[in-house]
Amino acid sequence: AQTVTQSQPEMSVQEAETVTLSCTYDTSESDYYLFWYKQPPSRQMILVIRQEAYKQQNATENRFSVNFQKAAKSFSLKISDSQLGDAAMYFCAYRLSGTASKLTFGTGTRLQVTL
Amino acid sequence: DTAVSQTPKYLVTQMGNDKSIKCEQNLGHDTMYWYKQDSKKFLKIMFSYNNKELIINETVPNRFSPKSPDKAHLNLHINSLELGDSAVYFCASRDYNEQFFGPGTRLTVL
Repeated sequence: AQTVTQSQPEMSVQEAETVTLSCTYDTSESDYYLFWYKQPPSRQMILVIRQEAYKQQNATENRFSVNFQKAAKSFSLKISDSQLGDAAMYFCAYRLSGTASKLTFGTGTRLQVTL
Repeated sequence: DTAVSQTPKYLVTQMGNDKSIKCEQNLGHDTMYWYKQDSKKFLKIMFSYNNKELIINETVPNRFSPKSPDKAHLNLHINSLELGDSAVYFCASRDYNEQFFGPGTRLTVL
């Protein structure tokens, strides 16, 4: 069974600084997707970034980028120039390719952004 | 032009009652899901439907019964509610790359 581990229950970063959230996963499959979701206090689940496992290039979305290490099964999220609006729960998730696939989530990291 | 909508957003009820949560998506997706987020924020899949057919059924008590009248709708009916059913329930639909989540329904069982 696939598992996703987020070892940092809470992180804190100062506004305008950079923070990295860690995620590791366990799978024996080769064709899968990895995601980072943001959940602010409104509880809406918002997709931050997606990485296809077959792509070697790390995904980037504006201030958000990932460090995808397939062999090490590691998928960390870097947030640059942190803003107050980045404060939220961040979930790492894994999904196999294919129709009958589901998201498997990590336990989440609560990110606090301070002035 | 909400993509995935759920009703109600909040539901407070007594133990033993039966309740339903409705979900609709206007994205034209074939696959829909129900996820449960517990009090510790852990998210777990419950069910998935593809074109009205059940394709994922995780270890969920049979008091929970999903129903998909058409591929745009996936409802969740819960019988004999228990205190432990208190959680946030998320509906989602999926295209090839991404899952789109509804706003969640916070269920509180008293």
